Amino acid sequence: NAGVTQTPKFQVLKTGQSMTLQCAQDMNHEYMSWYRQDPGMGLRLIHYSVGAGITDQGEVPNGYNVSRSTTEDFPLRLLSAAPSQTSVYFCASRLRQGRKAYNSPLHFGNGTRLTVT
Amino acid sequence: GIQVEQSPPDLILQEGANSTLRCNFSDSVNNLQWFHQNPWGQLINLFYIPSGTKQNGRLSATTVATERYSLLYISSSQTTDSGVYFCAVHGSGNTGKLIFGQGTTLQVKP
Repeated sequence: NAGVTQTPKFQVLKTGQSMTLQCAQDMNHEYMSWYRQDPGMGLRLIHYSVGAGITDQGEVPNGYNVSRSTTEDFPLRLLSAAPSQTSVYFCASRLRQGRKAYNSPLHFGNGTRLTVT
Repeated sequence: GIQVEQSPPDLILQEGANSTLRCNFSDSVNNLQWFHQNPWGQLINLFYIPSGTKQNGRLSATTVATERYSLLYISSSQTTDSGVYFCAVHGSGNTGKLIFGQGTTLQVKP
């Protein structure tokens, strides 16, 4: 049981390049999400998904796309990287227990440190 | 929205000392977690504790939901306990977003 796995651990991009941050979990969690962590701003929710085929925006979605074709995977795409997207990105998942959707712990991956020059 | 405040912001301990970290939240919650972010940046889930008391080795946590606070106790601290400790609660709405406190930065000296 690997938990939440993120790849790559580190990435450097030039402005305008695109890339995909990978996230996979093997806990059969319905809920998955992406956060970014910036100094002085804390962790902010980018996008989330409550199940395969369902995604929605968090508080800072601009510049990012997501898809959820399987329960296990939730990739985050940067279509045209900008220096403002330099950050540490965390993927997280939790068991979603029916209507009491959030009465379970959120499990985080180890993060991806992204630098955009 | 819900506000989460942690204290103290910084703490320096000698190895072997005990400490208590506090988390206050401004509204009733049904989901509270404590995390440790180690010097390598990993966010380690310590406790899921919306109410009551839990213990895991040298760490324990207590949440008094009716009084809107939670405490994290670290006993016999070790240098590996260094890092930032976050309290986080589930915000209102259906995004599943966790609202994090600003954290307590702990340094344990040998």
